[in-house]
Amino acid sequence: KQEVTQIPAALSVPEGENLVLNCSFTDSAIYNLQWFRQDPGKGLTSLLLIQSSQREQTSGRLNASLDKSSGRSTLYIAASQPGDSATYLCAASGNTPLVFGKGTRLSVIA
Amino acid sequence: EAGVVQSPRYKIIEKKQPVAFWCNPISGHNTLYWYLQNLGQGPELLIRYENEEAVDDSQLPKDRFSAERLKGVDSTLKIQPAELGDSAVYLCASSPASSYNEQFFGPGTRLTVL
Repeated sequence: KQEVTQIPAALSVPEGENLVLNCSFTDSAIYNLQWFRQDPGKGLTSLLLIQSSQREQTSGRLNASLDKSSGRSTLYIAASQPGDSATYLCAASGNTPLVFGKGTRLSVIA
Repeated sequence: EAGVVQSPRYKIIEKKQPVAFWCNPISGHNTLYWYLQNLGQGPELLIRYENEEAVDDSQLPKDRFSAERLKGVDSTLKIQPAELGDSAVYLCASSPASSYNEQFFGPGTRLTVL
């Protein structure tokens, strides 16, 4: 059974810092890995999707990497801004339905 | 292009009452998902539809939960009767095909059972 873990559970950084969010998964037989953002009381916004054949995806200040062999993905946020404050969730898609981690709650302090 | 639409956004009911949630997926998306999200947790799949067929409902508590997607477009999730533990956010998502593809989420319905 796929299990997805996100570390840290919460993170607070000053504005302008670069940061890395971590995601690990137990079953490397995934089709893709997706990173989402969730603002309080809102639904999930898809940020990046990495197919199993890819190593990374980039969108603006965001870069996500995937290492299937080690069961890890990272989300790198460059030059963080207060507007980046939210919960970030990763989810792995494979033979099982999309399995989510519990998320990392990010606070960027101005 | 309109996103996934859900209604209502909020619902407060007393235990043992019935409740229903509605979802309209992105046009052209034939796969529809219902998720349950408890506070501080990631979403968990309740049911997945491919067109009008429920292809994965193994996590749906069938004694009180039901869902339908009669014409393969919009969908309704029902709880009858609701219990205190059903208080959560119910999220709907859609994708162009199977779980291989990117999923797009609606804003969710926050249910409070008193």
